[in-house]
Formats: sequence, C-alpha cells, structure tokens
Amino acid sequence: QVKLLQSGAALVKPGDSVKMSCKASGYTFTDYIIHWVKQSHGKSLEWIGYINPYSGGTNYNEKFKSKATLTVDKSSSTAYMEFSRLTSEDSAIYYCARAYGYYYYVMDAWGQGASVTVSS
Amino acid sequence: DIRMTQSPASLSASLGETVNIECLASEDIYSDLAWYQQKPGKSPQLLIYNANSLQNGVPSRFSGSGSGTQYSLKINSLQSEDVATYFCQQYNNYPNTFGAGTKLELK
Repeated sequence: QVKLLQSGAALVKPGDSVKMSCKASGYTFTDYIIHWVKQSHGKSLEWIGYINPYSGGTNYNEKFKSKATLTVDKSSSTAYMEFSRLTSEDSAIYYCARAYGYYYYVMDAWGQGASVTVSS
Repeated sequence: DIRMTQSPASLSASLGETVNIECLASEDIYSDLAWYQQKPGKSPQLLIYNANSLQNGVPSRFSGSGSGTQYSLKINSLQSEDVATYFCQQYNNYPNTFGAGTKLELK
C-alpha cells in the first residue's frame, strides 16, 4: 500500500537549518506530486509547497518561498524539505503528502509527520 | 489568500447522532473543496474532494455538499471512531488554504 515514511523529530537552534525526508513506497514515485504542509502546535494546516518528482519542478507558497527548499532523489524515492534560518515560529509538525492524481492540491496519502522544535 | 471559516470550532455529539460541520469561503471556490479527518496524534486523512466525492474506503456515513462559498460535511450515525478534528481545504485559488478545524468529541 501507499506509504510515506518521514524522518524523525529534530531539535535545532535558532538560525540553523533542518532537512527532513519523506520516503515513498507502494507506488511509482515519479507519477505523483509531493506536497509539504506545516501544522503548528494544536493549530491548522498551512501549505508550504510541492515538488514534481518526475521533473523536479516546484511550486511554493509565497509565505515560505525564502524559507523552504524542496528536492527529490528519484533513485531512492525520497523527497526532501530543507527549512532555513529557523526561528521559534518554525516549531511545528511538518507533513509530506501525495497529490491525488490530477487533483494536484488534494492530498490522498500523508506521512506520519516530523516534529521540529527550535530552541536555544 | 482565500479565508476558510469553519463552524463550529468544536462540538460534542452522542453516538448515533447526525453531525454537520460548515465551511465558508471568502470567495467562490467552485466546489474545489476537500475535507480531511485528523485523529488525535495522527496525520490527516482525505475524506471528501470536489465538495461531494467520497474518497475510496471512506464510510458512506460521511458526505459532503455545497457550492459557491458555502460547504458542509455531514456525518450520519456518529461512531466512536469519528472522534477527530475535521479540516476543510480550498484548492481553487493559489495558495490552497485550510480552515481552522472543527474538533468533534463524544457527549
């Protein structure tokens, strides 16, 4: 079945960067867009951006354009998100999610989430 | 950005009851609306897309309706496993945006 396995929790210092991973299995990785979504503690969801694993093309929410960098490694069916210049506002759970076919922005499978805590 | 206003923010209902959750968009989103269920400590799961299309494997007691700016999620015959937070998402306009969520608890 479709699975997205994310890297573990991270504790990072303000100003640092963090790179998290999302390993896909159970489907052809290059056939589906991968989204990244932020969920601040106890709050709603914010779309960060997506990457097309086939082409490497990306589309970012303007709010996160200078903060997030999305990449993929097709050989290992893994998507990555690097988040830079971290502040306490970036402490959150980050999810990767697969797009539902042609419904690019509907997300039909989600990773388990990766918790990022920014603290000195 | 399009604002998605969900109501109520929380509700308490009894087993077997019918529950309605509303989502109001700040402008017409032409039925480009999805609903997700997030159980405590878990990741969100897709329930409904295109305002009223049920995702494969989702129980038929869930249904979606609406058009224009007003949408709703209906849960018939509430089950204990339906305890969760429900989010709406519009994907008609960039960037796609989510509602603040409705927390559903058992009475």
